[in-house]
Amino acid sequence: QKEVEQNSGPLSVPEGAIASLNCTYSDRGSQSFFWYRQYSGKSPELIMSIYSNGDKEDGRFTAQLNKASQYVSLLIRDSQPSDSATYLCAVNQKNYGQNFVFGPGTRLSVLP
Amino acid sequence: DAGVTQSPTHLIKTRGQQVTLRCSPKSGHDTVSWYQQALGQGPQFIFQYYEEEERQRGNFPDRFSGHQFPNYSSELNVNALLLGDSALYLCASSLGGQGIISPLHFGNGTRLTVT
Repeated sequence: QKEVEQNSGPLSVPEGAIASLNCTYSDRGSQSFFWYRQYSGKSPELIMSIYSNGDKEDGRFTAQLNKASQYVSLLIRDSQPSDSATYLCAVNQKNYGQNFVFGPGTRLSVLP
Repeated sequence: DAGVTQSPTHLIKTRGQQVTLRCSPKSGHDTVSWYQQALGQGPQFIFQYYEEEERQRGNFPDRFSGHQFPNYSSELNVNALLLGDSALYLCASSLGGQGIISPLHFGNGTRLTVT
C-alpha cells in the first residue's frame, strides 16, 4: 500500500477556474504537510505548508487539512496557464523523523 | 541569499562506473537530504545528513553512500552504476534541529543518465 497517494491526472481546467488537488496519507502520526509545484524538467518548489486542521490561504492557493480523514488538499483559484505543472504532496511521517514522503504527483493543465 | 546549489547539472556514465554528485545547502540550513526522482514519479528519499552523520536512510542499497562536510555541503556517491540509476537526483536542505520540522528547499538537480 502506497503511503502517500494523489488523485491521478492529468487534471485539465479552463483558465480562471478552480483547480482541486487531493492527497491522502496512511500514517496517522504524520505531522506536517507540504505542497510543491514542479515544472517539467525543473526541481520542486515549495508552495504551501500546513500543520493544523483547517484551511490555510496564501494568495490564490488554499491548503486544507483533515487529519481525522488523513486528507490534505490544495485549491488553486483563478487558475492561470502558468499554473500548469505537476503538484507534489509531501508528508512528514513520524517514523521518518525530519524526512518527507512524496506522492506521485498530479499533473495540472490550465487551458487558455 | 544563495539557494541550494547542485553540480553537475547533467552527467552521462556507463554501467559499472562510479559517480559523485555535490550539493551546497541554502544559507542558514544545516541538514541535507538526497532524493531520487525517476521520470513521472515523485521523489524517493535516499538519505539525510545532519551534523556530518547519516541520520536517516531510505530503501536504497549500499551502493548509495554520502558524506556531509563541516560547512554543511554534501556529496552523494553511487557505485557500480546500473541502468536503473538513471534519474534526476535532488538535493534538499532544511533546518534540522530537534523538534523542528522545516520545509525542504530543493536544488535544481543533477540529471544522471547511465548507458
